[in-house]
Formats: sequence, C-alpha cells, structure tokens
Amino acid sequence: QKEVEQNSGPLSVPEGAIASLNCTYSDRGSQSFFWYRQYSGKSPELIMFIYSNGDKEDGRFTAQLNKASQYVSLLIRDSQPSDSATYLCAVNMGGLDMRFGAGTRLTVKP
Amino acid sequence: GAVVSQHPSRVICKSGTSVKIECRSLDFQATTMFWYRQFPKQSLMLMATSNEGSKATYEQGVEKDKFLINHASLTLSTLTVTSAHPEDSSFYICSAPKRGGTDTQYFGPGTRLTVL
Repeated sequence: QKEVEQNSGPLSVPEGAIASLNCTYSDRGSQSFFWYRQYSGKSPELIMFIYSNGDKEDGRFTAQLNKASQYVSLLIRDSQPSDSATYLCAVNMGGLDMRFGAGTRLTVKP
Repeated sequence: GAVVSQHPSRVICKSGTSVKIECRSLDFQATTMFWYRQFPKQSLMLMATSNEGSKATYEQGVEKDKFLINHASLTLSTLTVTSAHPEDSSFYICSAPKRGGTDTQYFGPGTRLTVL
C-alpha cells in the first residue's frame, strides 16, 4: 500500500462546477496535511494545509480531513479553467518527513 | 511572495559537463532542504535530503557521486549534476520546510536542465 494515494485522473469538470479531489494515507499518526497545485512545467505551490478534523475553507477552496478514515479531500467551488492543473496531496508523517501523492490531474472545461 | 528561490531557472549544457543548481530559503533558515526530480508527465521523485553541516541523505537508486549536494549555509543548498548526460535532462526542484507548527514545505520554482 502506498503511503499517500490519489486517483491520477484525469478528472474533468465543467466550468462553474465543484471539483472534488481525494487522498488517502496509511500512517494513522500523521498530523498535518497539505494540498499543492502544480501547473504544467512549473513547481508545486501550496494551496492550503489542514491538521484538525473537519473542514477548512479558504476562498473557493475547502479542505476536509477525516483522521478516523485516514482521508483528506480538496473541494474547489466555481471551478475555473485556470484551476486546470495537477493537485498534489502531501502528508507530514512526523518531523520533516513529508510524503507526496502522485497527484490528480484536473481539467476544467469552459 | 516566493520564499524559496532557485538558480538558474533553465540551463542547457553539453554532455559530460557539470551543472550546479542553487536553492535558497529567502526569509527563513532551513537546516534541511529537499531535492526532487520530475520527468515530463510524471510524479515528483525525491532524490535526496540536504542537511546543513552534515552529509546529504540519498534515496535508493540515486547516485551520490553523480548528484553532489552541499548545504553550505542555513539558507543555501546546491545540487551539482556531474558529468551530465542526456538522460539527466529533467526538471529539478528543491524545497525547504519553514519550521514551526505544521513545518510547511515550500518549493523553489525549479530548474529545467537540458543536456545535449
């Protein structure tokens, strides 16, 4: 079992829809969780992090964490074509040990 | 603004030459930095962990004599690709954790290496 798993996609949604990106992790002791966005040819950029169970909202983005289910998700409301990118889930396993998922490719169609 | 910088952003070199890539944390100290490589349409691959004041830790399958890492100061790590070959052409990205709370990792903008 991979430490951090994501559906590679591609996930395609129409403009204005909600995009839902999912991630599961194997280490039950993990404490903090991150979502990065990576445009083609660019390096990843941090969107948001979450460390408490429940939802965390930042603009059009909502991160959801369920530690009991070892599941973290990212919702993008009112999706825009500019949101088309690969989204990386990252899990801090302790200290500086950060593990990344392989990423989900999202396409928002106009 | 950017908290981690990389230089150069793009480099083209001849086969057999060495290339040095710099990674700097701009407004914080980083005793640890990470070096990744990413081939087109593939995932990030962790190459090594750079440690200030001690030797780097390399991931399995990464040749330490080919990819030399020097963590010269609390804000600078360098990756030198020695005797580069076309198969070393890739996107090299560094990251540095900003300590405190969640130890969030910030990525540099990356260096596109093309070996002819």
